[in-house]
Amino acid sequence: GQQVMQIPQYQHVQEGEDFTTYCNSSTTLSNIQWYKQRPGGHPVFLIQLVKSGEVKKQKRLTFQFGEAKKNSSLHITATQTTDVGTYFCAGVAGNNRKLIWGLGTSLAVNP
Amino acid sequence: KAGVTQTPRYLIKTRGQQVTLSCSPISGHRSVSWYQQTPGQGLQFLFEYFSETQRNKGNFPGRFSGRQFSNSRSEMNVSTLELGDSALYLCASSWTGERSGNTIYFGEGSWLTVV
Repeated sequence: GQQVMQIPQYQHVQEGEDFTTYCNSSTTLSNIQWYKQRPGGHPVFLIQLVKSGEVKKQKRLTFQFGEAKKNSSLHITATQTTDVGTYFCAGVAGNNRKLIWGLGTSLAVNP
Repeated sequence: KAGVTQTPRYLIKTRGQQVTLSCSPISGHRSVSWYQQTPGQGLQFLFEYFSETQRNKGNFPGRFSGRQFSNSRSEMNVSTLELGDSALYLCASSWTGERSGNTIYFGEGSWLTVV
């Protein structure tokens, strides 16, 4: 079936280091969304990418959508302790345009 | 405007009991989806309702059911609770549904513990 693989599953960094999480789909996506879930909280929408090769930035966060619309990445520059949480990607794919979720990447930041 | 509201926030049930969780979507949103989240399992899609009709369903047993009312409020029910049903149950609302690429907004969730 359609899958969205997200790697790595966990990442532990020192504050100030960069961080990247990747999403890879087995099928072409019409769009991809990124969410952040803080520990004990609920997922919060970060951004949506629609166009092939699209790049969007939010302060220290850079989001990319691959040319083939099968993969995406989220890059955080100079991580801060406030970046701690789990980052999920979710893509719309298939004839029934189902939203498919990655399992998330949990980020821990050492101060 | 008010966000997605879920009640109750926390509850403890005994095996074999049933539970009903409630979700009030953002005003104007007609689509409500339900997810189960357990540690290490990510977000598992339960079902989606739009205009009182179940539009999409995940791979959960029939013990899990839901409904949506004319005011878009939704409830989900789990009957004959099992220990493995202990999880965070998240409700999400959007204008016309996840499939449209609309942003979905999550509630804070209902933490269910089955003992």
